[in-house]
Amino acid sequence: SQTIHQWPATLVQPVGSPLSLECTVEGTSNPNLYWYRQAAGRGLQLLFYSVGIGQISSEVPQNLSASRPQDRQFILSSKKLLLSDSGFYLCAWSVSGQALYFGPGTRLTVT
Amino acid sequence: GENVEQHPSTLSVQEGDSAVIKCTYSDSASNYFPWYKQELGKGPQLIIDIRSNVGEKKDQRIAVTLNKTAKHFSLHITETQPEDSAVYFCAASISSGSARQLTFGSGTQLTVLP
Repeated sequence: SQTIHQWPATLVQPVGSPLSLECTVEGTSNPNLYWYRQAAGRGLQLLFYSVGIGQISSEVPQNLSASRPQDRQFILSSKKLLLSDSGFYLCAWSVSGQALYFGPGTRLTVT
Repeated sequence: GENVEQHPSTLSVQEGDSAVIKCTYSDSASNYFPWYKQELGKGPQLIIDIRSNVGEKKDQRIAVTLNKTAKHFSLHITETQPEDSAVYFCAASISSGSARQLTFGSGTQLTVLP
C-alpha cells in the first residue's frame, strides 16, 4: 500500500532563517506531488505541484520554492522565512485520474 | 477558475442524529468531487468521492449526492458519533493534464454532542 511521509512534524524557526520541508511517498511510481498550506485550521491553498522529476508548477507568488530531485521526493524550501509563512504544510500525492491523498503535515511557526 | 462554496461553516448535532454539509461549484466542467475529514493536528483524510457520471454514492454511514444541473453536492452522515467530530472539506476538480487540480471549500467544523 502507499504511504506518504513528511518531516519534521513541527518546526519553530526565526524570521529570516531558511526552510526545508521534505515529503516522500512509498508504494507508487511517478506520482503527482503537491504542496498545500493551511492557515488557521481551514483554507487549503495549493502552493506547488509536480508531475515528474524536475517539473514544478507554482500556483501562487511567494518566497517559497519547491523541488523534486527524485520520483517520490518533494521538497519545500525558503531562503528567508517571513512571519506570514507560518502555517500547516501538507504534502499530497495522486496518480493520474485518481484521488488525492494527504500526508500528516508539518506545523511551521515563524517567530 | 473554479469556485467552491461550503455551508455551514459550523454544525453541531446530537449523537445519533444526521448531519448534512452542502457545497456548490461554479464550473460545469468539474467532474470529480471528493470529501475530506480532518482531525485536529492531522492531514485531511479522503472519506468518500463521487464522479460526475454518478448521482449518489454510499459507504456505511456516509453518503454523497451530486446534482450536476444545480451544480451542488452534499455529504450526509447518519447516526453520528462523537468520533465524527472534525473539520470536513468538499472539493471539486477539473482534470488538468495529468495533475488533478482540486479547489476546496472553506470547511465545516462538525461537533457531535454526546
